[in-house]
Formats: sequence, structure tokens, C-alpha cells
Amino acid sequence: DAKTTQPPSMDCAEGRAANLPCNHSTISGNEYVYWYRQIHSQGPQYIIHGLKNNETNEMASLIITEDRKSSTLILPHATLRDTAVYYCIVRETSGSRLTFGEGTQLTVNP
Amino acid sequence: GAVVSQHPSWVICKSGTSVKIECRSLDFQATTMFWYRQFPKQSLMLMATSNEGSKATYEQGVEKDKFLINHASLTLSTLTVTSAHPEDSSFYICSAIRGDLAVYEQYFGPGTRLTVT
Repeated sequence: DAKTTQPPSMDCAEGRAANLPCNHSTISGNEYVYWYRQIHSQGPQYIIHGLKNNETNEMASLIITEDRKSSTLILPHATLRDTAVYYCIVRETSGSRLTFGEGTQLTVNP
Repeated sequence: GAVVSQHPSWVICKSGTSVKIECRSLDFQATTMFWYRQFPKQSLMLMATSNEGSKATYEQGVEKDKFLINHASLTLSTLTVTSAHPEDSSFYICSAIRGDLAVYEQYFGPGTRLTVT
């Protein structure tokens, strides 16, 4: 699976949009981009995934660049409960393994 | 959404004893389950992959005789930490793949905090 690079930490004001970047320059054509988050002392929670089109669900939006070498997870109106470590993971469609990098610690401030 | 549970949520044991952690998929059959370990301020590290009815596949550096994995049914996998030592103290997380969907999605349990004294 392709390697991803994320900033180690980010801050965001409550109520504002949180934009979390991820670089995956070695992504191959059959690899999806997945985002998970882990709130302290809990198991990871699935957020969203995409292949090449932008995706949106009730939690977030995923913007993938046209060359697919980077993506951005957008939390449109961050709340204090969104404080967590966010992991960007690339894996094959049929692949089952999830390899976690260091992720981004997002802190939402009041 | 799919639910994965773990039991116990936390456990304290004495050095040299064994501890069993259960992972259950509550509302789906899991073709594959994974066990991860997470030390403080670190990311999740995959320990092993288990498929129902077959032997687990361990990641490099993980002692299969110390971390016994049994995947006896499509809804239950167990991890037994044998002869636990303080360095085994960690947060153990399981996940399960729901095999009846077109895309294999992985659902995580809430984790088990193990402290070995």
C-alpha cells in the first residue's frame, strides 16, 4: 500500500471548517484513500473513503486532487468532540490490511 | 452501522499470568479479524490477521506463541496474552471485516486496556 504523509498536528476553532491534508504521491490506480479518526482511548472510527471523485457524507467531505497525489478531509463545522487523531490510509480495493501512519492530531479549541 | 465489541474493556493482571481478550462482531459475520496493539502516543500496529477456521498470520516481530489467536467462529476471535509481562501493557484493538458487502469495510472495536503489574 502507498505511504501517506500528514502534518503531526493542527488546531481549529470551534465552528470553523477543519481542513486536514494528506499526501500520497505514490498512490496507484486501484488504491482508495480512506480516513479514520481515533478519539483518545477509543478504537478508530471510519469517516469516509474515495477513489478519485470527491465524496461527502454526514461526517465530512473528501477532496482528492485530479492527479490523486493528495487529498483533503474537510470537517465543515468542527466541534470540540472532533478533537482526535485523524489517519489518512491508502489501500487497494480488495485489500484488507490497513496500515496506520502517525496521523494528524486535530485539536478543536473553544 | 456494524458493531464490534471487545471484552473486557480493561484488565489488570500480575506478571506471569495469561489474559484472554474477546472480539465479537455483533450484527454481521466477519470473514477476517485483525488484532492491533497501540502503545501510548503511538499509532496502531498490526499484530496479526485471523480468518475463521484457520491459523492466524502474524506480523514480523510478533511472537505467535505469546499472543495466541483463536478465530473459532465468524463472530468471535480471541487474543490470549500468555505469561504477560509489564512490557505487554498496551491498548489492544480488534477489527473485523464484513464480508457480505461489495467493498470490504473494516470495523473497529473499542479497545482493551491491558496493564501488567
